[in-house]
Amino acid sequence: AQSVAQPEDQVNVAEGNPLTVKCTYSVSGNPYLFWYVQYPNRGLQFLLKYITGDNLVKGSYGFEAEFNKSQTSFHLKKPSALVSDSALYFCAVSPNTDSWGKLQFGAGTQVVVTP
Amino acid sequence: DSGVTQTPKHLITATGQRVTLRCSPRSGDLSVYWYQQSLDQGLQFLIQYYNGEERAKGNILERFSAQQFPDLHSELNLSSLELGDSALYFCASSALSRGSTDTQYFGPGTRLTVL
Repeated sequence: AQSVAQPEDQVNVAEGNPLTVKCTYSVSGNPYLFWYVQYPNRGLQFLLKYITGDNLVKGSYGFEAEFNKSQTSFHLKKPSALVSDSALYFCAVSPNTDSWGKLQFGAGTQVVVTP
Repeated sequence: DSGVTQTPKHLITATGQRVTLRCSPRSGDLSVYWYQQSLDQGLQFLIQYYNGEERAKGNILERFSAQQFPDLHSELNLSSLELGDSALYFCASSALSRGSTDTQYFGPGTRLTVL
């Protein structure tokens, strides 16, 4: 069975500082990994995904994520955080042993960026 | 705006009642997914349809059912509602069926409150 963990309930960062949101996964075989962001009273917005290839994935709004197979991690990063990045971030995994792509989500990490 | 629409935005009803949530996928997308987001369970996959047929089932209660119509819109029916069914229900869509690598695009959600 696959699972994904986000070890931090909340991440606090000052505007302009680097932002990292952690995600670790456990799957059989090669993982397909996704990051989504949820703003208050809004749906989930897709940020980026890793399927194969380059371990550094670039996504929307200046975010990127690094896939690390040995550490089974897929941390989300942004070099310089903005107050508008304050939101709930979800890591998700799609099982590749099952062709029907249902996403399994982590519990979410609340990011708070202070001015 | 993801292109996925959901109606209604909010729904308040009483225990024991039945409600129907509606979703229209992005233009051209054949797959529709339903997810439930609650404080205690987080984001949970419920069910997936592809071109009118059920393709995958997750943690969906027997009191819940869904269908996808020929015009590809989908409805999630929740019956004999309980207090614990209060949650945010998301619909997502993607282009392909057998696509664990597909990006799923989420609608804004329907917030269900059961009193």
